Amino acid sequence: ETGVTQTPRHLVMGMTNKKSLKCEQHLGHNAMYWYKQSAKKPLELMFVYSLEERVENNSVPSRFSPECPNSSHLFLHLHTLQPEDSALYLCASSQEWQIEGGETQYFGPGTRLLVL
Amino acid sequence: GQNIDQPTEMTATEGAIVQINCTYQTSGFNGLFWYQQHAGEAPTFLSYNVLDGLEEKGRFSSFLSRSKGYSYLLLKELQMKDSASYLCAVMDSNYQLIWGAGTKLIIKP
Repeated sequence: ETGVTQTPRHLVMGMTNKKSLKCEQHLGHNAMYWYKQSAKKPLELMFVYSLEERVENNSVPSRFSPECPNSSHLFLHLHTLQPEDSALYLCASSQEWQIEGGETQYFGPGTRLLVL
Repeated sequence: GQNIDQPTEMTATEGAIVQINCTYQTSGFNGLFWYQQHAGEAPTFLSYNVLDGLEEKGRFSSFLSRSKGYSYLLLKELQMKDSASYLCAVMDSNYQLIWGAGTKLIIKP
């Protein structure tokens, strides 16, 4: 248990569906992240929020839409996804964003997404 | 471009020692991390190196050579529960984490 929870753990959706992934951290951290993890590929950083403001958006398609209503919660809204978006979506948090000293990120267990 | 290289898969025997290598080419360097990820679970932090040398933490040690762009994770007295993927990540000059694809370690009895 890392203090970061994600729901749902598994999701199957069609290309025309709309769904949302939820992440909650109980660590009092100020930064939260969304990553995409595909088999045998490096983790891809999608979005970063610091103190509820988006600070990074790494060329992610608009069919992925993040939302951070407060420093403990992070959502990823999905619509009109493609089969190649099937992957494990990981949420992480850290005390601060872009700080020296080996800021450790704490990960949730991920949502395994399958797009049909 | 920025690049992290680590072997895709390694196999070792229970009770033995294994070394997982990681080489990197990044825009600047602000430290290197190792994470462990069991199948279907969250990555968990193992170690952080920012200065050259060996950091020991129980059965696990991590080594860094900044001049060579090289690190390794050393696991001693291997146990079956050490079967997992091991992720190497480097923090670049913008404090962004650049990740390797991970090394899947298989432990055999």
